[in-house]
Amino acid sequence: QSALTQPASVSGSPGQSITISCTGTSSDVGGYNYVSWYQQHPGKAPKLMIYDVTNRPSGVSYRFSGSKSGNTASLTISGLQAEDEADYYCSSYTSSSTLVFGGGTKLAVL
Amino acid sequence: QVQLVESGGGVVQPGGSLRLSCAASGFTFSGYGMHWVRQAPGKGLEWVAFIRYDGGSKYYADSVKGRFTISRDNSKNTLYLQMSSLRAEDTAVYYCAKGVLEGAGDYWGQGTLVTVSS
Repeated sequence: QSALTQPASVSGSPGQSITISCTGTSSDVGGYNYVSWYQQHPGKAPKLMIYDVTNRPSGVSYRFSGSKSGNTASLTISGLQAEDEADYYCSSYTSSSTLVFGGGTKLAVL
Repeated sequence: QVQLVESGGGVVQPGGSLRLSCAASGFTFSGYGMHWVRQAPGKGLEWVAFIRYDGGSKYYADSVKGRFTISRDNSKNTLYLQMSSLRAEDTAVYYCAKGVLEGAGDYWGQGTLVTVSS
């Protein structure tokens, strides 16, 4: 199972909005509404930010939202804040009954 | 509150074996599936394995199938990962995570480092 494709890095200024893409195939992202997004700060464990494409766990800021079109899922962060600077990973359920992660995207808040 | 604490990591020679543990508390362990996910130094996340709440079904990444075994003891609220025939490329921080097969996890431990080196 090949990793999902994410941009290596994105950047934005405080207050702006950014979008991180996650591209797979019809056997994973496009075939199921089971895409999750994780935030990971250096040296810390990943934190779930979005599950089932669009759902936010309790306690996660409304500034984080998810969507999907075809084989590509997206994470949008609005009103960027300094603490949003982190690595972001997508994951998807696959037709092989496994999970696959994206390669990760480093977000810089300039 | 949910707590997941991994242990058992360390340095092991290529071809060796190691067993990781994940002690769970703060939720009904026997009611939830559990994942192992790893992260090589400076690299991204890689899903390793999943076990359903009752241990009845287990799923593995191709990269570890036949070498790693996921198991659980619901009476001890503990998840395990038995790793054998270890390779240098298995070097990583190993995380346990509570969740469903279709989505990695809503709670994660802090991880335990496994280093495979001679």
